[in-house]
Amino acid sequence: DAGITQSPRYKITETGRQVTLMCHQTWSHSYMFWYRQDLGHGLRLIYYSAAADITDKGEVPDGYVVSRSKTENFPLTLESATRSQTSVYFCASSDRASTGELFFGEGSRLTVL
Amino acid sequence: AQRVTQPEKLLSVFKGAPVELKCNYSYSGSPELFWYVQYSRQRLQLLLRHISRESIKGFTADLNKGETSFHLKKPFAQEEDSAMYYCALIGGAQKLVFGQGTRLTINP
Repeated sequence: DAGITQSPRYKITETGRQVTLMCHQTWSHSYMFWYRQDLGHGLRLIYYSAAADITDKGEVPDGYVVSRSKTENFPLTLESATRSQTSVYFCASSDRASTGELFFGEGSRLTVL
Repeated sequence: AQRVTQPEKLLSVFKGAPVELKCNYSYSGSPELFWYVQYSRQRLQLLLRHISRESIKGFTADLNKGETSFHLKKPFAQEEDSAMYYCALIGGAQKLVFGQGTRLTINP
């Protein structure tokens, strides 16, 4: 199906482990984003990408790494997971960032023990 | 810096009553403002944008630059309006900045 998909949908890991959340979109949108959703903080931008091989930091990038070797994929890696990274992660894409219309994935719920 | 504030984390109203979800922003230039909604078990999706001046599902929002506000209003709430609502802003950095969100519950 066309759209934007995230995997895994649910993940439990331990402190110090590396975790990668995958994001795939079939629209060939140029822009892709990673947000985390936390109570009291709303949605905060972690990283974004304007095109393949172009990435930039958002509001809360520490502890995360991204790559964008292909337009359709935008994986987010937690190099050494911490409890504070327990959250729901949302990937989104847009054909033009300035339109403000982002298309969101279903989210990945990550628990770090 | 761009900042969006939604002062109410929770809002509960009765069916048929008016609804107003508050949103205030901080941005030195001319912002573009949006409301996003997340219904239960559904994806976050765009509800409306100020530049369109449209009414979606009975909701409207007016940009008040003097008060730096973009409150979301609906004259008669319906049970299906229960959801999480996020106000968002795009400023000079072309990145969408979200507020903290307001969970709206419509009581029967």
